[in-house]
Amino acid sequence: DGGITQSPKYLFRKEGQNVTLSCEQNLNHDAMYWYRQDPGQGLRLIYYSQIVNDFQKGDIAEGYSVSREKKESFPLTVTSAQKNPTAFYLCASSILAATGLAGAQETQYFGPGTRLLVL
Amino acid sequence: ELKVEQNPLFLSMQEGKNYTIYCNYSTTSDRLYWYRQDPGKSLESLFVLLSNGAVKQEGRLMASLDTKARLSTLHITAAVHDLSATYFCAVVSYTGANSKLTFGKGITLSVRP
Repeated sequence: DGGITQSPKYLFRKEGQNVTLSCEQNLNHDAMYWYRQDPGQGLRLIYYSQIVNDFQKGDIAEGYSVSREKKESFPLTVTSAQKNPTAFYLCASSILAATGLAGAQETQYFGPGTRLLVL
Repeated sequence: ELKVEQNPLFLSMQEGKNYTIYCNYSTTSDRLYWYRQDPGKSLESLFVLLSNGAVKQEGRLMASLDTKARLSTLHITAAVHDLSATYFCAVVSYTGANSKLTFGKGITLSVRP
């Protein structure tokens, strides 16, 4: 089955610790995205990548880092610099549109999410 | 900077009645998406609207787009309990050769008997 997987489902972070959230897709999508969702809020973009070995900061990149070494994988590291990391983290992927503006994307499909909690 | 606003943020609906919710955005865009989120779950894609006057329908939900007014509406016909969820709209913006989505804060719909 094609899809997007995220692991772990729950993650606990101790103060000062870096933690890495996994996101894998077997949909052959070009683009991948990381969002953060706080209770009662919409999604805010952390980082995104439209090709391998390239990624861009989103609206709230501070305290996070990513890599895109393979098309299928886009791990997110929450560093100790992120002082308020408790949130629901969602990974998404999409194909890039064949028509329309350069870089236009088709529908983003989301993984099941990872809940990050601070101990 | 693109801003996406949804209203109302919460709507209590009576079963069997019709309702409309709104999404407006601040700058020109060529794509608007609607997503559904059940409590504690991820997002599920509902509709993509690509052009002025676009209308998409799925079951009791109908979405439309007015790009001149920068407004999308989601119309609910004869609400049923299964439609209780949070509905997000998201709008595409471009920076060079990259594109990203900006989400509204979501509208939580609750259907009561």
